[in-house]
Amino acid sequence: GAGVSQTPSNKVTEKGKYVELRCDPISGHTALYWYRQSLGQGPEFLIYFQGTGAADDSGLPNDRFFAVRPEGSVSTLKIQRTERGDSAVYLCASSPMGQGTGELFFGEGSRLTVL
Amino acid sequence: SQKIEQNSEALNIQEGKTATLTCNYTNYSPAYLQWYRQDPGRGPVFLLLIRENEKEKRKERLKVTFDTTLKQSLFHITASQPADSATYLCALLPNSGYSTLTFGKGTMLLVSP
Repeated sequence: GAGVSQTPSNKVTEKGKYVELRCDPISGHTALYWYRQSLGQGPEFLIYFQGTGAADDSGLPNDRFFAVRPEGSVSTLKIQRTERGDSAVYLCASSPMGQGTGELFFGEGSRLTVL
Repeated sequence: SQKIEQNSEALNIQEGKTATLTCNYTNYSPAYLQWYRQDPGRGPVFLLLIRENEKEKRKERLKVTFDTTLKQSLFHITASQPADSATYLCALLPNSGYSTLTFGKGTMLLVSP
């Protein structure tokens, strides 16, 4: 597709469960970002990939959160032992350039609700 | 501490008027600043980028100013239309070796016909 694709668009889970959120960036974009957005807030940075490697994971809130991008394209955000406070919209963005030097192209987000 | 501040109250204006949104920041030395538009239930969409050595940037009905002395950016939409109603986010790239954008909370703009 032409844009950043995120699946699922909505995920409802129970506290303590494991969740995976997928991001398919724009073809050829080397930089990929995960952000989290709570209601009434701006996007909050989680992790940034340049190619296959995590160039900056300083935004991951704790070790329950992990993300991979094994082939430098699709990325998966993994959340273990989900908590109610993890409920938010998880946004993925890609960019043709690294090191934050250009605009970000966002997907529509995955809305996670933890009951 | 580092902060990006945008008006949390919605801005209500009449169609045809100029909307002006403010982004203030503290304890940053941004390399550049970006503005995004976000509609309910959608991801942010990039609008404009302005660099630290630029004072003003224009694109169609949009104008952005950047004052590094005041630590402020203003975002203007001239001849506003109801279709401009959305939340507008400012985002900056801190200068010192950071590689990721930090976003403000956004300001909602409502343009009435």
